[in-house]
Amino acid sequence: EVQLLESGGGLVQPGGSPRLSCAASGFTFSSYAMNWVRQAPGKGLEWVSGISSSGGSTFYADSVKGRFTISRDNSKNTVYLQMNSLRAEDTAIYYCAKGFKGSVTTKSDYWGQGTLVTVSS
Amino acid sequence: QSVLTQPPSVSAAPGQKVTISCSGSSSNIGNNYVSWYQQLPGTAPKLLIYDNDKRPSGIPDRFSGSKSGTSATLGITGLQTGDEADYYCGTWDSSLSAGIFGGGTKLTVL
Repeated sequence: EVQLLESGGGLVQPGGSPRLSCAASGFTFSSYAMNWVRQAPGKGLEWVSGISSSGGSTFYADSVKGRFTISRDNSKNTVYLQMNSLRAEDTAIYYCAKGFKGSVTTKSDYWGQGTLVTVSS
Repeated sequence: QSVLTQPPSVSAAPGQKVTISCSGSSSNIGNNYVSWYQQLPGTAPKLLIYDNDKRPSGIPDRFSGSKSGTSATLGITGLQTGDEADYYCGTWDSSLSAGIFGGGTKLTVL
């Protein structure tokens, strides 16, 4: 059974730098791209970032480019999202999602339950 | 404002059929596959349709997808109260080199 478990969310001050983690199980992690998608309270889905199966290719939404960094450790079956210079508008539930193949697309067949990041002083 | 345009809401009676549109451009829908997701209240999104018209295992054939040019459509037949949810289209934008989602459509089954 595929499982994705996000962690690292919580209350963060503006300008803070939390790191989100997503621990994967139930599939060959190193064969699949991974995505982070967020959802602000009461709003729609926003694709944030994606990383290829090898980690060699990474992509970002313009809204986070230069502030967020996606990475993965295939030996630990974990994908990370390093978030820097957080702003109030980054407040959202952050979902980790499994891609369909090795290259990055928005197509995601399994999603975690999400971790809430609240940016507030 | 989303790059992909969806109607904010649609409604229909139980047993009826509804369609949800998703309009984009040549840099996204026109040249990339479209996926559709269902998000029930308080839960994570669930993949309904991928590659424009394919259903993952376990998704009933009441759900269908199609694409024409720079637009895609999700169809749901035999509406049930349990289908009340938010529905999102998603695809890749080759100009942005980024993923994009529509703004979402709230389905109400009257």
